[in-house]
Amino acid sequence: GNSVTQMEGPVTLSEEAFLTINCTYTATGYPSLFWYVQYPGEGLQLLLKATKADDKGSNKGFEATYRKETTSFHLEKGSVQVSDSAVYFCALTEGDMGRRALTFGSGTRLQVQP
Amino acid sequence: GAGVSQSPSNKVTEKGKDVELRCDPISGHTALYWYRQSLGQGLEFLIYFQGNSAPDKSGLPSDRFSAERTGGSVSTLTIQRTQQEDSAVYLCASSSNSGGSTDTQYFGPGTRLTVL
Repeated sequence: GNSVTQMEGPVTLSEEAFLTINCTYTATGYPSLFWYVQYPGEGLQLLLKATKADDKGSNKGFEATYRKETTSFHLEKGSVQVSDSAVYFCALTEGDMGRRALTFGSGTRLQVQP
Repeated sequence: GAGVSQSPSNKVTEKGKDVELRCDPISGHTALYWYRQSLGQGLEFLIYFQGNSAPDKSGLPSDRFSAERTGGSVSTLTIQRTQQEDSAVYLCASSSNSGGSTDTQYFGPGTRLTVL
């Protein structure tokens, strides 16, 4: 079956530090990959996505590249802000001929200190 | 425009009671999903509706759980004979007409269910 593995949190960084949150996956077929974010007291929202190998998703200074050879989709940001403090979820769907529901990783809590 | 809405926002019930949770998807979205988020299990898929097709119920944890979608819009998730392990935040999401795997799923704020 499908699965997503994320690095354990919490990740604590100082403002302007570089961020990497690792994500690897196991999937049937050719999955689409997503990062969702959950800010304190808010609902889940899509941060970025990539649908084919070597695609780079980007939004709000965050980036992730779909690496089929390493089955990875690591999230990066060059300079984090206090406002980036949230829980980040890596997720996948199976692709257009497969299961449409999202399979999520366990989430990584990011805490950014001023 | 309006996002996905869910009601109630919080529900406290006693073990053994039935509960109904409601989801109003974004207007025009034909795909609707239910997930739950709990401390022990993380985010889990429950059920998926796409247009008039038979729903994908593969994520429902037991036959106490059921869901329906009336008129292709509003959905109700029903949990019968609730158990303490049903305590979780129940999330609804909807996506655009195609319901494709690359479509963005937009999530509601969730219903926090507590079973005493």
